[in-house]
Amino acid sequence: TQLLEQSPQFLSIQEGENLTVYCNSSSVFSSLQWYRQEPGEGPVLLVTVVTGGEVKKLKRLTFQFGDARKDSSLHITAAQPGDTGLYLCAGATGAGSYQLTFGKGTKLSVIP
Amino acid sequence: DTGVSQDPRHKITKRGQNVTFRCDPISEHNRLYWYRQTLGQGPEFLTYFQNEAQLEKSRLLSDRFSAERPKGSFSTLEIQRTEQGDSAMYLCASSPWGGAQETQYFGPGTRLLVL
Repeated sequence: TQLLEQSPQFLSIQEGENLTVYCNSSSVFSSLQWYRQEPGEGPVLLVTVVTGGEVKKLKRLTFQFGDARKDSSLHITAAQPGDTGLYLCAGATGAGSYQLTFGKGTKLSVIP
Repeated sequence: DTGVSQDPRHKITKRGQNVTFRCDPISEHNRLYWYRQTLGQGPEFLTYFQNEAQLEKSRLLSDRFSAERPKGSFSTLEIQRTEQGDSAMYLCASSPWGGAQETQYFGPGTRLLVL
């Protein structure tokens, strides 16, 4: 069973601060997705990373896939209240299986 | 809106009743997935369709659960003889043919409460 551990589980910061959340596993993934989820809604895709060592930027969000494709990080610069939400990472193992394995998420609160 | 849609958004039922949820994927997405999410957890995979064929099923999908995608477009998920432990958010996702990155696009979910 592939497990994805996300840390921290909860994070409360002031507007304007920077933060990093982590997604770690002992398993290798063919790709890894990051999603943000609002209460009562489905996850919304932020990014997909595929290549080991890959870095993708989405405005103030920077995503990195580990060289060994076992871990990933999400860095947010100058956090804003609109960044508040549950950040989920999800890995795909490939090899004919299309299911995603999700972490439990990091619940981020950005205080104005 | 051309995203994944789910109906109903909320369902309250009594233990022992049957419920059915519908998912309409993004147009021309041939892959469709069902997940379940309980409070404080990430989504957990239930089952996967490629066109009308159900190709993967999780051990979470007990014999009280059945999913169909008869024409390769919309899908239904039925839960028979609901139990309180079935209370969760049921999420549907879809992805396009040949999507090598396994990127899945999720709907808003159906929140089920079993009393």
